[in-house]
Order: sequence, then structure tokens, then C-alpha cells
Amino acid sequence: AQSVTQPDIHITVSEGASLELRCNYSYGATPYLFWYVQSPGQGLQLLLKYFSGDTLVQGIKGFEAEFKRSQSSFNLRKPSVHWSDAAEYFCAVGESLTMNRDDKIIFGKGTRLHILP
Amino acid sequence: DAGVTQSPTHLIKTRGQQVTLRCSPKSGHDTVSWYQQALGQGPQFIFQYYEEEERQRGNFPDRFSGHQFPNYSSELNVNALLLGDSALYLCASILLGTSGQETQYFGPGTRLLVL
Repeated sequence: AQSVTQPDIHITVSEGASLELRCNYSYGATPYLFWYVQSPGQGLQLLLKYFSGDTLVQGIKGFEAEFKRSQSSFNLRKPSVHWSDAAEYFCAVGESLTMNRDDKIIFGKGTRLHILP
Repeated sequence: DAGVTQSPTHLIKTRGQQVTLRCSPKSGHDTVSWYQQALGQGPQFIFQYYEEEERQRGNFPDRFSGHQFPNYSSELNVNALLLGDSALYLCASILLGTSGQETQYFGPGTRLLVL
């Protein structure tokens, strides 16, 4: 069965510093991978997704993620964080029973990002 | 273009009661999925509806049921509420069969508290 592991429950970085959030997945075939962000009281917003092709994926808000098949990882990065980036970040893998790649999404438990002024 | 909308935003129920949550998909979408997000956890897939039928289901008891209407909107029903059903319930929609060109859009959720 597919699973997603986010090893860091909380991460604290200073404003302006670089950020890397870790994500490891377990999936038998080529995974469909996502990063979502959830601000307090808000729903989930898609930051970026990987389906195929270039393993370095650019997303919104200056985020990027790199798919590394050999390490079963899909880490999220940002070169310089802003105070508004404080939120909960979820890595997820899409499980498709058909050709539709978004049939069912399996989420990790999330990483809470704190920003120091 | 309205995104995914959910109602109500918050709800308080007592154990044993029944609750109905509602979701309107994003314009042009025909498939609705429901997720439960307990406090401090990632969302968990409950089930998905397409063409007014349950297309697939996660590991949730039969107390959780749903419905999809001809206009693609959906309801999530939970019977015999337990304290552990307290969570944020998220609805997501997509146009089925788009082979990855589309992605699921999530609504803001309904916060359910069971006392």
C-alpha cells in the first residue's frame, strides 16, 4: 500500500533563510506526487505536483520540489522564506485505479512551519 | 468562477446524532471526493462519487455514507456520531478522465465537533 512519510513534525526557520521540507513515499509504480499548504482555518492549496518528465518541479509562491526515485523522496524547497509562509505543509501521493491520476490522494501527517522574525 | 464550496462552515453535534455536510464542486467538475482531517493529522480519503455512484471508498465504517446529485453536488452523511468523528471534513472536486492535466481542488472544509 502506498504511504507518505514526513519525518519532521515541526520546522522553525528565520525569515529570509532557506527551507527544505522532507518527504518520503512508498509506491510500487511511478508515483504522482503533490505538495499542499494549509493555513490556519483554510482548506488545502496545491503548491506543485509531479506526474512525469523533469524531476525538478516549480510551483507557486516560489516553491520547488525535486523527485528522486532512487531515494523515494520528494523534498520541498524555497530559497528564502517569508513570514507568510508559516503554515502546515502536506506531501501526498496520488493513487490511481484508472487512467485518472487524481483518483485518491494519500497524505502525510504534515510538517508545521514556523517562521522567526 | 466559484471554486469548491462547502456548508456549513462549523457544526456542533452530540454523540449518537446524525449529520449531513454539503459540497458544491468547482464549475465544470463532475467528481467529488470527501476527506476527513483529524486534528494534527493529514486528510484521509473517505470516498469518491461520480455519476451519482460511489466510485471508491477508503477505510471508513458504513456509518459514513454519501450521495451525489445530478448537478454534481454531494452530501456526506454520518450516523451515530462518535467523539472521534470530530474533525475537519474536506471536499475535493475534479473532472474525471483528464489524465493528470487537471488536479483536485479542495474546499475550505466543515469543522465538526461532537460533544
